[in-house]
Amino acid sequence: GAGVSQSPSNKVTEKGKDVELRCDPISGHTALYWYRQSLGQGLEFLIYFQGNSAPDKSGLPSDRFSAERTGGSVSTLTIQRTQQEDSAVYLCASNRGRVTDTQYFGPGTRLTVL
Amino acid sequence: EDQVTQSPEALRLQEGESSSLNCSYTVSGLRGLFWYRQDPGKGPEFLFTLYSAGEEKEKERLKATLTKKESFLHITAPKPEDSATYLCAVPQGGSEKLVFGKGTKLTVNP
Repeated sequence: GAGVSQSPSNKVTEKGKDVELRCDPISGHTALYWYRQSLGQGLEFLIYFQGNSAPDKSGLPSDRFSAERTGGSVSTLTIQRTQQEDSAVYLCASNRGRVTDTQYFGPGTRLTVL
Repeated sequence: EDQVTQSPEALRLQEGESSSLNCSYTVSGLRGLFWYRQDPGKGPEFLFTLYSAGEEKEKERLKATLTKKESFLHITAPKPEDSATYLCAVPQGGSEKLVFGKGTKLTVNP
């Protein structure tokens, strides 16, 4: 079946602009995760959605970052007033619902803020 | 604070030269340890999950082992196509988050 898809694959924006990144999880997966991967750094947890529960937003670095998940499927990560330090690869993953279940990752969106 | 440390940061091998990658962790109540492979420009690809000390899993030239404090990814007779960054991760104690190490970048020269 289809894996996790993300769009766009690359995004170049100017400092101060807003951007939206999209994630389409594997069908039937109830949990969805967003991570950020900066050069030379490990994957940094951002936010976690599980079914209809309130999302775990504890990893969002500032209030400029927000995410939503519509209909328990597609998710959008929004970064407002982008800064150069937001430049990174944003990865999305999904699984069957528990952190002990394998997470399957999308190809990522490379964000460059000029 | 839960931590995952991978070593070495980078490893260069000749084709056929076996070696091991290390992942040491500190977490309260281990609920599993994950190994992923990541190629440049791609998302991590799942390799193994280990749940308890003493457990071992194999896939082709890779074998993952787990103790109470660390995991090893053994690579036997590697080929150039094994070149990638290998990541390990553990669930953070009491949460649904994965904590990742920074990875080991493996280069296998022909």
